[in-house]
Amino acid sequence: DQQVKQNSPSLSVQEGRISILNCDYTNSMFDYFLWYKKYPAEGPTFLISISSIKDKNEDGRFTVFLNKSAKHLSLHIVPSQPGDSAVYFCAASNSGNTPLVFGKGTRLSVIA
Amino acid sequence: DAEITQSPRHKITETGRQVTLACHQTWNHNNMFWYRQDLGHGLRLIHYSYGVQDTNKGEVSDGYSVSRSNTEDLPLTLESAASSQTSVYFCASSESGMGQETQYFGPGTRLLVL
Repeated sequence: DQQVKQNSPSLSVQEGRISILNCDYTNSMFDYFLWYKKYPAEGPTFLISISSIKDKNEDGRFTVFLNKSAKHLSLHIVPSQPGDSAVYFCAASNSGNTPLVFGKGTRLSVIA
Repeated sequence: DAEITQSPRHKITETGRQVTLACHQTWNHNNMFWYRQDLGHGLRLIHYSYGVQDTNKGEVSDGYSVSRSNTEDLPLTLESAASSQTSVYFCASSESGMGQETQYFGPGTRLLVL
């Protein structure tokens, strides 16, 4: 049973427009959420996180929104750049040293 | 600079052979993790450790083992390699005791089992 779901395997966006990547989770005990970015032949790199006490966290062009009632989070990238083309993984955990649970990833292609 | 390294970066082996993948981190993190990445499955947890002498099974631990004899290293051993274990393997580490911690990943090892 998948606890973290990224239902869109891929997404294409024009350069300069907004990219919205979505993630749903089923475990109501999750209280910490992260997004990782992965380029080919490299390890995933941390992008942004959000605690369940917040509903929004912003870092430059990247904003993560959390809707706890819907068990849904999204990553917004504005404006999108060709260098943002990568696979994005959503991950979640509950406090107390439990391992992260990852979604299957969404491949973002930003077209110039 | 502190970092996490994996070796080898690429490995070809034959079915039935024992293979060990190395992971070394210099952040002095207590927590270390091994994942495999496969098309259509994302990142799946194999084994993890919360400190020296501590090991735990993850979602896909069958056929794999780990040992933690010091803080810096968590080697992953495939006891008898199978073609189903052809994958890209990532090691990660994080601090402990914070509850909400970020994992930092190594560059990966691409393993091909023939």
